[in-house]
Amino acid sequence: AQTVTQSQPEMSVQEAETVTLSCTYDTSENNYYLFWYKQPPSRQMILVIRQEAYKQQNATENRFSVNFQKAAKSFSLKISDSQLGDTAMYFCAFMKWGNTPLVFGKGTRLSVIA
Amino acid sequence: NAGVMQNPRHLVRRRGQEARLRCSPMKGHSHVYWYRQLPEEGLKFMVYLQKENIIDESGMPKERFSAEFPKEGPSILRIQQVVRGDSAAYFCASSHRDRVTEDGYTFGSGTRLTVV
Repeated sequence: AQTVTQSQPEMSVQEAETVTLSCTYDTSENNYYLFWYKQPPSRQMILVIRQEAYKQQNATENRFSVNFQKAAKSFSLKISDSQLGDTAMYFCAFMKWGNTPLVFGKGTRLSVIA
Repeated sequence: NAGVMQNPRHLVRRRGQEARLRCSPMKGHSHVYWYRQLPEEGLKFMVYLQKENIIDESGMPKERFSAEFPKEGPSILRIQQVVRGDSAAYFCASSHRDRVTEDGYTFGSGTRLTVV
């Protein structure tokens, strides 16, 4: 079974600074997908970024980028130029190839401080 | 193009009552997943359904919980004889049959169930 571990329960960052959230996972699969989801106080789950395991290039979406290390099974999220609206829970998630359920980590609560 | 609609947003039930949670997937999506989120936890998979079929219910408790996705109408997650431990946020996600790996899942805003 796959597992996803987020070792940082809480983090804080000053507005406009950069922060990195850690995620490691365990799987014997070779083809899979990794995701970061954001959950603000509204409870809505919002997809931040995704990475296909077969792609060596790290995914980037505006201020969000990942550092995907397949051999180390590591998938960290970097948020640049942090904004107050980035305050939320962030969940790392794993999905096997095909239409399969997501496996989530326990989350990291990020607070952006003015 | 409405997203995934879940209702009610909040539901309070007394111990022993039944809870019914509804999920209408995005237009064109034929796959529905239910997840449960306990306080300060990540989402845990419960059940995966396609129209009129349960594909994977490995994450759902064997007793008191059931789910359906009829040919017409929303998907329903039913919890019979609720207990305090059922208090959680229940999320529904939907995906297109052939595009889950390209488009991913779309989540609803969840139903927060409180058992008193």
